[in-house]
Amino acid sequence: SQQGEEDPQALSIQEGENATMNCSYKTSINNLQWYRQNSGRGLVHLILIRSNEREKHSGRLRVTLDTSKKSSSLLITASRAADTASYFCATPPRGQNFVFGPGTRLSVLP
Amino acid sequence: DAMVIQNPRYQVTQFGKPVTLSCSQTLNHNVMYWYQQKSSQAPKLLFHYYDKDFNNEADTPDNFQSRRPNTSFCFLDIRSPGLGDAAMYLCATSTGQGSYNEQFFGPGTRLTVL
Repeated sequence: SQQGEEDPQALSIQEGENATMNCSYKTSINNLQWYRQNSGRGLVHLILIRSNEREKHSGRLRVTLDTSKKSSSLLITASRAADTASYFCATPPRGQNFVFGPGTRLSVLP
Repeated sequence: DAMVIQNPRYQVTQFGKPVTLSCSQTLNHNVMYWYQQKSSQAPKLLFHYYDKDFNNEADTPDNFQSRRPNTSFCFLDIRSPGLGDAAMYLCATSTGQGSYNEQFFGPGTRLTVL
């Protein structure tokens, strides 16, 4: 079973709408990171949230972390066609390397 | 611009024919990683180097080897590729080990095994 899992597996929205995707994990973490992957490309780091933080913003991105529920959410506001990508959470167990979830495939329709 | 470069972007090999994928970085990062990513799946860590120290993941097949001759370059050798090794191979770097470090990824090499 995976350390981290994103939900939903796929999401399709219209341009201008908000997109929310969730990540759940099993073991305690020091931090959680979100990455984006455009089709056929490498991953790009979006944001890191530490275990003692509850919310973090970066531009149109808002990330929350609830360590009691072992879950995080990524909100993209006012989505654009260019936001179409797969989004992965990385939930490294303490003292260990990255473990990526299977990702959420986001499609933003013009 | 500082970056992670992977060559080639697309590689075709035959079943059982050794193949080498390369990664270089201009970021001067201490840590380099190799991931395997199959279609619609999460990237899976194969191994990583912290400087010259090699760290193999427990479930990485022996068929996969790696070399890091210097800070800038890292190679992934697949000794006898099988059909199941067809995947995207991603190289990444970070300044240090541990979960607080952001990883910088190259564009990947897509490997096809015939």
